[in-house]
Amino acid sequence: SQQGEEDPQALSIQEGENATMNCSYKTSINNLQWYRQNSGRGLVHLILIRSNEREKHSGRLRVTLDTSKKSSSLLITASRAADTASYFCATAGGGDDKIIFGKGTRLHILP
Amino acid sequence: NAGVMQNPRHLVRRRGQEARLRCSPMKGHSHVYWYRQLPEEGLKFMVYLQKENIIDESGMPKERFSAEFPKEGPSILRIQQVVRGDSAAYFCASSPPTGGPNRGEQYFGPGTRLTVT
Repeated sequence: SQQGEEDPQALSIQEGENATMNCSYKTSINNLQWYRQNSGRGLVHLILIRSNEREKHSGRLRVTLDTSKKSSSLLITASRAADTASYFCATAGGGDDKIIFGKGTRLHILP
Repeated sequence: NAGVMQNPRHLVRRRGQEARLRCSPMKGHSHVYWYRQLPEEGLKFMVYLQKENIIDESGMPKERFSAEFPKEGPSILRIQQVVRGDSAAYFCASSPPTGGPNRGEQYFGPGTRLTVT
């Protein structure tokens, strides 16, 4: 299975601090994606990083990918209360378009 | 360009009834995916469809569940004779017909929350 697995399962930090979440997977991939899900809502696509990329930025988000270690990290800088959500990594690979989700990291930003 | 649309947003069914969940992909998207999410868990892939074809149904339960994506109209996920364990959020996603490095980038609908009483 190429399922991503996020770490930690849950994270609470003070507003303004940086939040780092990690994702590990098992097989080769075409790309890795991060999604956010607010409680009871749908998923929002945050960022896609291709297998030949090592780092990507989008606003306060920074994603790294290490294919040799089969791992990725999502860094959210200067966290805000609105960042409170669950964050999922998803991998796409092989010959199909199916993506496989991990179980997510629940991030809680404390005021 | 409207996003992926799902309806209904909430659906309550009694055990034994049928549930029909609808998904309209984004304009120009010909690939549709269905996922199920249980409370406190990630999304589990169910089925991947293109127009009039089921491409991958490896995540679909063998019985009671079926999906279609007709030439015209939305994709339908159908659950027959629902049981309490079917209670979950069901998400639909769509993607354009592209391959290559952006393969797999999907756009999600708001989900349908099914409650079986």
